[in-house]
Amino acid sequence: GESVGLHLPTLSVQEGDNSIINCAYSNSASDYFIWYKQESGKGPQFIIDIRSNMDKRQGQRVTVLLNKTVKHLSLQIAATQPGDSAVYFCAESRSTGTASKLTFGTGTRLQVTL
Amino acid sequence: EAGVAQSPRYKIIEKRQSVAFWCNPISGHATLYWYQQILGQGPKLLIQFQNNGVVDDSQLPKDRFSAERLKGVDSTLKIQPAKLEDSAVYLCASSPPRPWGGTQYFGPGTRLLVL
Repeated sequence: GESVGLHLPTLSVQEGDNSIINCAYSNSASDYFIWYKQESGKGPQFIIDIRSNMDKRQGQRVTVLLNKTVKHLSLQIAATQPGDSAVYFCAESRSTGTASKLTFGTGTRLQVTL
Repeated sequence: EAGVAQSPRYKIIEKRQSVAFWCNPISGHATLYWYQQILGQGPKLLIQFQNNGVVDDSQLPKDRFSAERLKGVDSTLKIQPAKLEDSAVYLCASSPPRPWGGTQYFGPGTRLLVL
């Protein structure tokens, strides 16, 4: 299938291990941070989000950590599975009245090895 | 709940031709976005609609790109004339009205190749 992100940073993880994907953001005014997963040939798929007044949020097998002091966001995936192989993007969201504006970071390709 | 729908999924045209993409957002989502995603990069916002009004089109190359959302639901994005550098995936996204989180939900995209 078509590749998304031929020259992206790549993280290789063995099946069953935990994955940590990092992201630096730039805008202190961002009020939400979102992680998206993008598989080859598909649009970005929402994984998890976190408000700027939180420092941790957990979902099913995923945890997002937010460190506003150093403007750093991370996505932790527990017990990584082959289906987790994809490009992961962080996005910062800033309110624009009745909606939001997303700014995407550089993606990270996650490769899960058997 | 049905997701964001886009068509066509693929399009190949020659430079200087015109092309149009269609998007149907998630029902009830007032805000609709068009993004351009060049291979290897994150999506870049082209235009944002709130109902049928434009909120932000600062990144839209208005000499060749146009978009409309006449009845506040479906939207079309047009490129005329296309250039080689327009080859990309064009993503449509929608978001629910506030109060809500900052999340936008994306469609599968239209892959455009300009030859």
